[in-house]
Formats: sequence, C-alpha cells, structure tokens
Amino acid sequence: EPEVTQTPSHQVTQMGQEVILRCVPISNHLYFYWYRQILGQKVEFLVSFYNNEISEKSEIFDDQFSVERPDGSNFTLKIRSTKLEDSAMYFCASTEKSRATNEKLFFGSGTQLSVL
Amino acid sequence: GENVEQHPSTLSVQEGDSAVIKCTYSDSASNYFPWYKQELGKGPQLIIDIRSNVGEKKDQRIAVTLNKTAKHFSLHITETQPEDSAVYFCAGARGGGATNKLIFGTGTLLAVQP
Repeated sequence: EPEVTQTPSHQVTQMGQEVILRCVPISNHLYFYWYRQILGQKVEFLVSFYNNEISEKSEIFDDQFSVERPDGSNFTLKIRSTKLEDSAMYFCASTEKSRATNEKLFFGSGTQLSVL
Repeated sequence: GENVEQHPSTLSVQEGDSAVIKCTYSDSASNYFPWYKQELGKGPQLIIDIRSNVGEKKDQRIAVTLNKTAKHFSLHITETQPEDSAVYFCAGARGGGATNKLIFGTGTLLAVQP
C-alpha cells in the first residue's frame, strides 16, 4: 500500500540552527501539507501546497518557515532559525484531491524535532 | 474561529464493550469530518469519514454519526479489541475548497482492557 514517508524520524538541533524536514508524498497525489503536534496537544495545520505554491498557511507558519518541492517526489519543510517552541512532531500529509472531492489525507509517521 | 472539541480525553473499556467518542465543531461551513487513529510512534491513520449530507456511516465495527443542527459528530466502536487501543482524533474541514485544512480535536486515548 502506498504511503507517505518522512525523514529523519528524529532530529535534534541547537536553537538558532536551520533544519530541513523531508517528505515523499504518495506518488499520484497533488496536494501536500505540513502539520505539527506539540507534546500533549492537538495536531495543528501549518501549510498546504498545490501546483508549486502555498495555497494556505496558518499563523504559526511565519517567515521562519518555508516549503519547497525541489523535484517530482520530495516535499520539504525548512525552519530557518529554530526556537525552543518549535520542538514538536511534524507530520507531512498528502491527498489526491480528485474531481470527486476526495479529501482523504494520508499522513506520514512524522519527524520528532527537538530544539535544545 | 474554527475549533473542534473532543471528549473524553481518556476512555478505558473492557474488551468486547462499546466505545463512544464525541466531538463538536464551531465552523458552520465544515462539511467533512474524518476520524484518525494514531498508534504509538506512527502518524494518524484515517479510519472513517463522513460528509455533511449523510447522517450516519458504518464500516464493520466502526460507525460515525453526524448531527449538523447541533454540530456534533461521534465515533462508535463496537466489540472493542485490544488492538483498538490508540489515540483517536476527530477533525473537521471545509471540504471541496482549495485547501482542505483539517481542524483536529484534542484526541482521546482509548485503552481496551483484555
């Protein structure tokens, strides 16, 4: 069964450093997302991406965050200068979003980011 | 703003019993309501979803009901098994738009005691 894959599974970084989280969405999917989950809290929407541009972003997704689809398979989330409060589990998701309005989101297993 | 409330936060049942998790949503424009199961160390997995033009949907031991007027929707798991133990999240979305942003509930930790 096709799945969304994320690497690395764990990332430890020093405050102020840049990190790049990587995702390979399901191959025929067109819409890509990043969500995050701070320990003990709900899963929160960060950004959606379609046709090589951001379609929506949340208040969390400030100038320190960026997304990119550098090639036909990868989808990345970059945090330019990490803060302690960026520590969270980051989930990548994708959906086919066909004309039948298939909103079924498929999530990866996540990258646990720890900022020290 | 958009918000989804979920109750209870923890639920313990005996194997074979039923489990019910309830959610309410605030956004009247929400019309798509998925439920996700998250096992330890894994990402959320879609288990069932319902659209606002349907009041109930069933898939084997899992059912979801939706009351649009009251803005409530619930997950029902019958004949629970130990492998049902996980965190369950409800979510709401304005499906059909350009984004399909999911607004998640706070999660319910379900423990099925053998």
